[in-house]
Amino acid sequence: NLVLTQPRSVSGSPGKTVTISCVGSGGNIVTKFVQWYQHRPGSAPTTIIYKDSERPAGVPDRFSASIDSSSNSASLSISGLVTDDEADYYCQSYDLDNQGVFGGGTKLTVL
Amino acid sequence: QVQVVESGPGLVKASETLSLTCTVSGAQLNRQYWTWIRQTAGKGLEWIGRIFSTGTAEHNPSLRSRVTMSVDISENQFSLQLSSISAADTGVYFCGRESRESNSFFSGVALWGAGTTVSVSS
Repeated sequence: NLVLTQPRSVSGSPGKTVTISCVGSGGNIVTKFVQWYQHRPGSAPTTIIYKDSERPAGVPDRFSASIDSSSNSASLSISGLVTDDEADYYCQSYDLDNQGVFGGGTKLTVL
Repeated sequence: QVQVVESGPGLVKASETLSLTCTVSGAQLNRQYWTWIRQTAGKGLEWIGRIFSTGTAEHNPSLRSRVTMSVDISENQFSLQLSSISAADTGVYFCGRESRESNSFFSGVALWGAGTTVSVSS
């Protein structure tokens, strides 16, 4: 079964760029769409990327994502960091049976 | 504006069954996929399962034997029941709408509820 592995935490300074990886194992990450969600404690998660690299309306283009088939991984980049970006970020995809799978989540700290 | 709102008891006794309801406003349940996701204490998000408006459901294999999902078209609601509750099930439960593309690929949760907190008492 597909397992998605993310770093537990990343950090960056205001104005800089951070990248969060999501490595797939037990399955091919390019087979299904990958999504990214931002989750602040106490609030509902919000979708920031869907269908691998699409941004919903209202999500700034500081957020971008891509898939690397060679490493079976997805990545989320956030440029021009602001303190409001501090949150937990989750990648999500599906296994071959279309069961949803989440990565373990990455805590972003903006120093 | 489409909204989903979770409701249910905040406290459930261990070994009993948790019942949660998600009420949809601003849209019909028909021809849509509706999902349950949770964040248990100290852990990340976990996909519980989804149900189509016809009642066809799919569940996380790790929870499958304890999960029952249903839809009530007349009330525009869908529900989750999780049996044999334990402390490990304590957390926040979210309902939402899951998107499916024309090529039949799912593309994530497009609409999230605010979540409802569930605690398990011994």
